[in-house]
Amino acid sequence: EDQVTQSPEALRLQEGESSSLNCSYTVSGLRGLFWYRQDPGKGPEFLFTLYSAGEEKEKERLKATLTKKESFLHITAPKPEDSATYLCASRDSGNTPLVFGKGTRLSVIA
Amino acid sequence: EPEVTQTPSHQVTQMGQEVILRCVPISNHLYFYWYRQILGQKVEFLVSFYNNEISEKSEIFDDQFSVERPDGSNFTLKIRSTKLEDSAMYFCASTISAHEQYFGPGTRLTVT
Repeated sequence: EDQVTQSPEALRLQEGESSSLNCSYTVSGLRGLFWYRQDPGKGPEFLFTLYSAGEEKEKERLKATLTKKESFLHITAPKPEDSATYLCASRDSGNTPLVFGKGTRLSVIA
Repeated sequence: EPEVTQTPSHQVTQMGQEVILRCVPISNHLYFYWYRQILGQKVEFLVSFYNNEISEKSEIFDDQFSVERPDGSNFTLKIRSTKLEDSAMYFCASTISAHEQYFGPGTRLTVT
């Protein structure tokens, strides 16, 4: 059973059309929920870490939120340069490895 | 801004050959990781390394794989006898402690 499930698999938005990406996690004792951006052929680029339910982090057009079961990445008024795959990962303690979801492939059309 | 670097960016090798993938983690980081991503699939953990020894490894990291920190800056992943199914992007990551991991740009390994 996957520990981290992301939906949708792919999302196509018009420029300026806000939306949210979902990440559900099943790990107990969460010690960090991470969001990364990955461009084709590149390494994951760190965006946010969330540690406790109710926490929110923002960066430009992106806002990440966390509940006890899931996290959302809200994209407000996206631009074509926001097109990428967004990865969610969980960690259950200290410096243990990250467990990644399959990602949401976002396309923003001008 | 400090970043993780990896070399080579692309490695092509024949089945059964040995390959060494190289990484230079961020200089003050203490924990090092290798992950891989087969085309179209999710990023998977291989191994973590701290204080000059392996701290955790996945089922993927069998006897064909080894890691080493030969000096104060490099961190290497060796695959002794490559198989076709080893073809993937290999990412190195590092972190200072219990925080976000920073990933390198990856090495694309193609086994023919």
